[in-house]
Amino acid sequence: DQQVKQNSPSLSVQEGRISILNCDYTNSMFDYFLWYKKYPAEGPTFLISISSIKDKNEDGRFTVFLNKSAKHLSLHIVPSQPGDSAVYFCAASASTQGGSEKLVFGKGTKLTVNP
Amino acid sequence: EPEVTQTPSHQVTQMGQEVILRCVPISNHLYFYWYRQILGQKVEFLVSFYNNEISEKSEIFDDQFSVERPDGSNFTLKIRSTKLEDSAMYFCASSQGGATGGSNQPQHFGDGTRLSIL
Repeated sequence: DQQVKQNSPSLSVQEGRISILNCDYTNSMFDYFLWYKKYPAEGPTFLISISSIKDKNEDGRFTVFLNKSAKHLSLHIVPSQPGDSAVYFCAASASTQGGSEKLVFGKGTKLTVNP
Repeated sequence: EPEVTQTPSHQVTQMGQEVILRCVPISNHLYFYWYRQILGQKVEFLVSFYNNEISEKSEIFDDQFSVERPDGSNFTLKIRSTKLEDSAMYFCASSQGGATGGSNQPQHFGDGTRLSIL
């Protein structure tokens, strides 16, 4: 089941530069997309989300872009800080009548920000 | 900031034994979830729970699994007869709601229970 794909298992950037993490999806029913950050021995921490009616959402240093025609989203972190070093998961869900939407996760991208 | 708490952090159990994983969701949340992550694999959905009943479950969530909200705060996952392949990190999550009413709400996760089956 490869409905959500993160094709880069790892990414290394210099402190202060931009980090761009990418995610592709195949299920056209997905209408809500999220990014989570995960440190070792902790659970996924919600970062930012975007609804399919938007193409951009910004929260401080984090911006998520959604390209529905390409079924692609990306997370930009500017400027990157060493504390951003973690595994980043892309997740997606499709609206249901019941209101509880299961998340489908990508495999994650390990980001390393070097001082 | 309110958070989802899970206990225990690590559970070691003999194959065939029953195990109960416990979660306290965020207090004003209405939707509850269990996910698992087998080492090296993706985080996978197991079950969602709303209004005291299961909303959706995955193929993984077979008759050996059950969920319960025994009181106003706890949410539990029980595995009746554990198998070696049940070894994984189990994450509980909760959210205020989904797309019903027109606004998606993010799910917030606990730190997980590492389940090791011997």
